[in-house]
Amino acid sequence: KNQVEQSPQSLIILEGKNCTLQCNYTVSPFSNLRWYKQDTGRGPVSLTIMTFSENTKSNGRYTATLDADTKQSSLHITASQLSDSASYICVVSDRGSTLGRLYFGRGTQLTVWP
Amino acid sequence: GAVVSQHPSRVICKSGTSVKIECRSLDFQATTMFWYRQFPKQSLMLMATSNEGSKATYEQGVEKDKFLINHASLTLSTLTVTSAHPEDSSFYICSATRDTNYGYTFGSGTRLTVV
Repeated sequence: KNQVEQSPQSLIILEGKNCTLQCNYTVSPFSNLRWYKQDTGRGPVSLTIMTFSENTKSNGRYTATLDADTKQSSLHITASQLSDSASYICVVSDRGSTLGRLYFGRGTQLTVWP
Repeated sequence: GAVVSQHPSRVICKSGTSVKIECRSLDFQATTMFWYRQFPKQSLMLMATSNEGSKATYEQGVEKDKFLINHASLTLSTLTVTSAHPEDSSFYICSATRDTNYGYTFGSGTRLTVV
């Protein structure tokens, strides 16, 4: 069964600290993995996208890693800011069709405290 | 970058009425648009996939007569919740893509409250 599991479910950190969010998936055949940031009451906004051959991708203070062998990904946030408080969603796409089907994790709710 | 506009952002309607939600791709032609539903602290759940000019493909368990989807042009898809009931209250999100290499862009979502 194709699934995407994220951990932790929630996380609280102090402003300026770093954190790492985890994503494990069983989606096959694999096409790509995306990390999205979703603010409360808003739609998801893309942070990174990685294909099978990529093992790291950065976007400012966000760095995503991918280990396609172990089917694991992480999102590392450095020097956190209050505006980083949001839900971070891991989304994996398969290659079962031309367009690919998206499988969503339930997200990690990150809260950054001053 | 790709922008998807979704309106309205919030809507409150009376039970039994219908509500239409619009999803527009502003700077690209979206061959495929998707409609999702999201409950609090849950992941997005795909409701249906719509391709321009053809009937939408609904996920198992989604009532196509209740959630009417129209994708009349390459830049506009609409979701109409017919005869809404309080249990239809949720956060509805659309996304659009030109192709998988182009990526998926999400709208800002619509908070529907049925009273």
